[in-house]
Parts: sequence; C-alpha cells; structure tokens
Amino acid sequence: NAGVTQTPKFQVLKTGQSMTLQCAQDMNHEYMSWYRQDPGMGLRLIHYSVGAGITDQGEVPNGYNVSRSTTEDFPLRLLSAAPSQTSVYFCASSYPGYEQYFGPGTRLTVT
Amino acid sequence: TQLLEQSPQFLSIQEGENLTVYCNSSSVFSSLQWYRQEPGEGPVLLVTVVTGGEVKKLKRLTFQFGDARKDSSLHITAAQPGDTGLYLCAGKMDSSYKLIFGSGTRLLVRP
Repeated sequence: NAGVTQTPKFQVLKTGQSMTLQCAQDMNHEYMSWYRQDPGMGLRLIHYSVGAGITDQGEVPNGYNVSRSTTEDFPLRLLSAAPSQTSVYFCASSYPGYEQYFGPGTRLTVT
Repeated sequence: TQLLEQSPQFLSIQEGENLTVYCNSSSVFSSLQWYRQEPGEGPVLLVTVVTGGEVKKLKRLTFQFGDARKDSSLHITAAQPGDTGLYLCAGKMDSSYKLIFGSGTRLLVRP
C-alpha cells in the first residue's frame, strides 16, 4: 500500500495563477480532508469529504475548491493564488472518526 | 478563534525532565486524538481517547481525557531527545465528521 500520496512536493506560483494539488489514497477510506499548516502552527481544515460526490467546507475554505469523483482521489484547486495561501498543505484520509493518515505534504509558495 | 487551545506553545526542557501539555476547549468532543509531527512530515497518531476520564498510557506518555470531554492532557515522564517534535491534539464532535486540530505544542528535549 502506498497510503496517502500528494503531488507536487514543492510548487511556486505567481499571484493570480491557478493550480491543483493532487491527493490519492489506496486504503478505501471514506473520509478525506485537506489542511493547511502555517509556520509554527497547527493544522487548519480547508475542505473535507465523507464519500464520493460529497464535500463540505472546513474552517478556512475561501479561495479553494474541491471535488470527489472517486473514493481514491481528492484534488484541491487554488482558483487565483494569493501570497496569503503560502503554506504547507496536507491531505489526510481515514474511516470517519478514526485515525487520520497524512500524506507527506505540498509546500506552496505564492510570490 | 481556535476551537482547541494548546498550552504551552513551546517547551524546551532537559533530557530526563517531566512535562505536561494541555488541550482545552469550551466544546464537548466525542473523541480526542493526539498526534506527533516531525519536521518535513505529516502528523502521526499517538492515541485516541473516547470516554470522559479515560487514561491511556503509551510507554512514557500518559494521556487523559477530561471528565466533561472538553479537555485533555499529555504527560511525558523522563523526556528523551527522541520525543522532540510538534504535538497536536485533535477533536471530533458528535454532530460532525470533521476533525479539528489544536494550535500545537512544539517540544524540544535537549541532551
């Protein structure tokens, strides 16, 4: 099992550009989520999904879109990147309420 | 406003000392998890507590869930340099699938 995979590992964007962060899991988990982590801080929930076709907003959803067309994949789209979105992004999956398995993270810089 | 507040934010101690990290909220959680995160990696689950008053031990780490299920603590006995990392608590409410993370406690154990 690969667990949770994220691509890319590093990305630099200019203000206003758009991009998609990819996340995939091979554990057949129903629940998937995206977090951002700013320097020296905990994780803030961006969006989450409890199954294919079902998504909902977390604590900081503005500027981000998600979709869940399959159980395995949960991409995060930045619509128009802003410097305030510079962060490390983590994707996680789990059975609802159980241990979350995290990917290795994507370090994003917006200039 | 952070739903889960952790204290202290940063702790630097000598090898062999004991320490306690606190995770507090005004909200009630159906379960609470503790994770540890090392630099450049995603968080990894240490323990899940689900019953008010529950105490769980993991070698030198003792976790306690408050009677009212609003707070938790992590106590480390005789800290080792290998305990260095970011400790995160995360709570799940009865009414939601979401897992909300605390602000984190960064621990440095000096040899």
